[in-house]
Amino acid sequence: DAKTTQPTSMDCAEGRAANLPCNHSTISGNEYVYWYRQIHSQGPQYIIHGLKNNETNEMASLIITEDRKSSTLILPHATLRDTAVYYCIVRPATSGTYKYIFGTGTRLKVLA
Amino acid sequence: GAVVSQHPSRVICKSGTSVKIECRSLDFQATTMFWYRQFPKQSLMLMATSNEGSKATYEQGVEKDKFLINHASLTLSTLTVTSAHPEDSSFYICSARDPREKPYEQYFGPGTRLTVT
Repeated sequence: DAKTTQPTSMDCAEGRAANLPCNHSTISGNEYVYWYRQIHSQGPQYIIHGLKNNETNEMASLIITEDRKSSTLILPHATLRDTAVYYCIVRPATSGTYKYIFGTGTRLKVLA
Repeated sequence: GAVVSQHPSRVICKSGTSVKIECRSLDFQATTMFWYRQFPKQSLMLMATSNEGSKATYEQGVEKDKFLINHASLTLSTLTVTSAHPEDSSFYICSARDPREKPYEQYFGPGTRLTVT
């Protein structure tokens, strides 16, 4: 079973920040938080990952709470092309298989 | 980031036939690849982990004799759906782990849509 829970869907106005929450209350100390998104009928696209500290790249920011039990993905200025299903995944940093278990994800719809 | 390709992107086959899907890592050597299946409006479900030079590890409930996986080289894994039936119609996605990068995130292919008539 997936170790994360996310809201089923969210709407966001174009140009505004999209904040997507993820709960991972059973996360272990050596587990990373990864975010991917899947645009309709395509393979998932990597967005960002983090362990303890907040992270930022050209696509998004990742805010991880101090207890690491939840995180928020922030798309600072959402565009229509950001409409997708966003998946939050936790995975051990060192593991024999490195496999991902996908949860249901959040379907983000960016509105014009 | 690293690039993973899949071929074909779409395939239609008749019930009872077999179909092969290829997954290639284009600019890196992938010792480990993964195969997922996704039904409409559902999440990705991991089917199996493919390791170069050894047998694939299948997830619980996935029939290994129906979904044959071969990882014959460091850049190619294949998934063969044998004796396909309409219920096997789905979106099949592969991913590959780039061992050059830590902590070893996965890169996904564009997917293959299989329709069994």
